[in-house]
Amino acid sequence: EPEVTQTPSHQVTQMGQEVILRCVPISNHLYFYWYRQILGQKVEFLVSFYNNEISEKSEIFDDQFSVERPDGSNFTLKIRSTKLEDSAMYFCARTTGGSPLHFGNGTRLTVT
Amino acid sequence: DQQVKQNSPSLSVQEGRISILNCDYTNSMFDYFLWYKKYPAEGPTFLISISSIKDKNEDGRFTVFLNKSAKHLSLHIVPSQPGDSAVYFCAAARMDSSYKLIFGSGTRLLVRP
Repeated sequence: EPEVTQTPSHQVTQMGQEVILRCVPISNHLYFYWYRQILGQKVEFLVSFYNNEISEKSEIFDDQFSVERPDGSNFTLKIRSTKLEDSAMYFCARTTGGSPLHFGNGTRLTVT
Repeated sequence: DQQVKQNSPSLSVQEGRISILNCDYTNSMFDYFLWYKKYPAEGPTFLISISSIKDKNEDGRFTVFLNKSAKHLSLHIVPSQPGDSAVYFCAAARMDSSYKLIFGSGTRLLVRP
């Protein structure tokens, strides 16, 4: 099954800067997700997105985070003002519904 | 909030033998369980899943067993191969909850040649 493409593979940013992480899923996918994994910790759910709306979000997903699918193709995660603790691997995932989640290879975000 | 637990951080087995990875959960509302394999610098790769209406699902060398009364599931890999060496994550979900997966902390499997 085709993989989800995530860009960039590695992003380094300074604390307080905005970052946008991108995901390019297959167009017929209905459900999109962002997860993250802080080094040495478990993979954590951030947000789910269905029919161009957030369907569920975690406590981690505060006002600093936003998601959108601006052009009907790319699915983006924006962090408005990055903090040191935002450093993590960020994974995009998708499903057509009724099938397991399939993940991209992730973007490593390093906040300095 | 440890709804999904993998109590063994690591496991080492000999090539050709069986690998058994365990997972416990606390939320009885979970009705769908999955195992993912992860290599460094890659995303989790789906391996096998099971719904709560079954107690066993098999796919090639991989079998997942579910014991609902004990809130326990396990992944059996037979025979184990060196290429199976990776971190294995157990995940659980409620089918009515937008496929939000709750992951365990992972077990690092090493298969020795």
